[in-house]
Amino acid sequence: KAGVTQTPRYLIKTRGQQVTLSCSPISGHRSVSWYQQTPGQGLQFLFEYFSETQRNKGNFPGRFSGRQFSNSRSEMNVSTLELGDSALYLCASSLGQYGVNEQFFGPGTRLTVL
Amino acid sequence: AQSVAQPEDQVNVAEGNPLTVKCTYSVSGNPYLFWYVQYPNRGLQFLLKYITGDNLVKGSYGFEAEFNKSQTSFHLKKPSALVSDSALYFCAVRDTNTGGFKTIFGAGTRLFVKA
Repeated sequence: KAGVTQTPRYLIKTRGQQVTLSCSPISGHRSVSWYQQTPGQGLQFLFEYFSETQRNKGNFPGRFSGRQFSNSRSEMNVSTLELGDSALYLCASSLGQYGVNEQFFGPGTRLTVL
Repeated sequence: AQSVAQPEDQVNVAEGNPLTVKCTYSVSGNPYLFWYVQYPNRGLQFLLKYITGDNLVKGSYGFEAEFNKSQTSFHLKKPSALVSDSALYFCAVRDTNTGGFKTIFGAGTRLFVKA
């Protein structure tokens, strides 16, 4: 079974631009979560989706948005990029909707904002 | 609001000695608790979880963790550390209360195992 895939793996953008990151979950997984990982802050929760519905959102500004498609694939978008948005963005998928299942993580997209 | 704390940024242990990585949590309902490990240049991997039942849970690579409800702790342990256990370890908690559809991670603890 293929793992969680994220594209692109690396991105370099400049301040003010916007970016879209993509995540394909493991086949059969309908829950997708996004995290921002930075050396100083650890993993910060961004969103959780299940069956195309955003069930929760972390404490991030409105510049951060996401969505999930009917095939469970998910995208997140960051508009008006700031230097502080430089981070590793991780996507994770899990089976089921009640959180009892462990998450499977993708390799991440490393975003650098110049 | 749910939260999780890993009080140690770094844990150093000699190979062959027992290791403990600490984790405490705060939730309003019952917790689902997880440990994940991140090896250098590799993605986060699941180690073990506590959902319900026996307080001592066993996971991958010989790791185990004990759920202690009164102390709101879920410490990760291994009887005999290996150099290959050196990695970044994350504790995570999910609140079972309605609306708790998110998993919160601790800041991580870097484990160094010296040969």
